[in-house]
Amino acid sequence: GAVVSQHPSWVICKSGTSVKIECRSLDFQATTMFWYRQFPKQSLMLMATSNEGSKATYEQGVEKDKFLINHASLTLSTLTVTSAHPEDSSFYICSARQGIGGSGVYNEQFFGPGTRLTVL
Amino acid sequence: GNSVTQMEGPVTLSEEAFLTINCTYTATGYPSLFWYVQYPGEGLQLLLKATKADDKGSNKGFEATYRKETTSFHLEKGSVQVSDSAVYFCALSEIWSGYSTLTFGKGTMLLVSP
Repeated sequence: GAVVSQHPSWVICKSGTSVKIECRSLDFQATTMFWYRQFPKQSLMLMATSNEGSKATYEQGVEKDKFLINHASLTLSTLTVTSAHPEDSSFYICSARQGIGGSGVYNEQFFGPGTRLTVL
Repeated sequence: GNSVTQMEGPVTLSEEAFLTINCTYTATGYPSLFWYVQYPGEGLQLLLKATKADDKGSNKGFEATYRKETTSFHLEKGSVQVSDSAVYFCALSEIWSGYSTLTFGKGTMLLVSP
C-alpha cells in the first residue's frame, strides 16, 4: 500500500511555543490530507481536512487559529500548533488520499504513524 | 450524528484461539464499514471493508459481515497468531457528494500470547 510518513515522531516543547508537524505521502500524490487527534483510550477525532492548494476545512470545535494547516504541495501537509499549552498534548495522526472523492466513491485513506506531542 | 462503539480492551487470547471484537454503529444514512489495524509504532492500515448490507469483508483470515438489522460489523478470526497483536479500530464512512470522512471507534487492543 501507499506510504505516509510523519515527522517528528515525538516532540516535547515548552508552553507558549509553536510546534510544526509534517505529513508526507512518499509514493503517491495526495489531493486530500486529513489531520486527526487521538487521546488515550479514545477515538481518532478528525480535526480538519485539507485539499492541496485550498484552505483547510476545520471540524466544529477545532480552533483554526491554533491549529494551522498548510497543504502547499501534493506530497506535503503541515500542522502547526501555535502557542501550545499542556492541554494540547496528544497524539496527532495524519492521513492522505489520492482522489477528492465524489458522490458514491470512497477513496482509501493511508495513515501516517502519528506524532506524540507533549507540552510542558 | 454518526458514531461507532466497539468493545473495550485489552482482549487477551492464547495463540490459535477464536477472536471476536464487537462493533456497532449509528448512522443517519447507509454507511460503508471498515476495520483498521494499528501495529505498534505504525500507522493505521485498512484491514477489511464492506459497503452494503450483508456484504462480508475478509482479509488475512479476518472477516466481518455488515448487519444492517443489528447495525453491527463484528470482527472475527478463527485462529489468532501472536503477530495479530495490535489495536483494531472499527470505522464508518458516509459517502456523499464531495468527499467522505471516517468516524472511528475507540479501538480495541488485542494481545495474543504464545
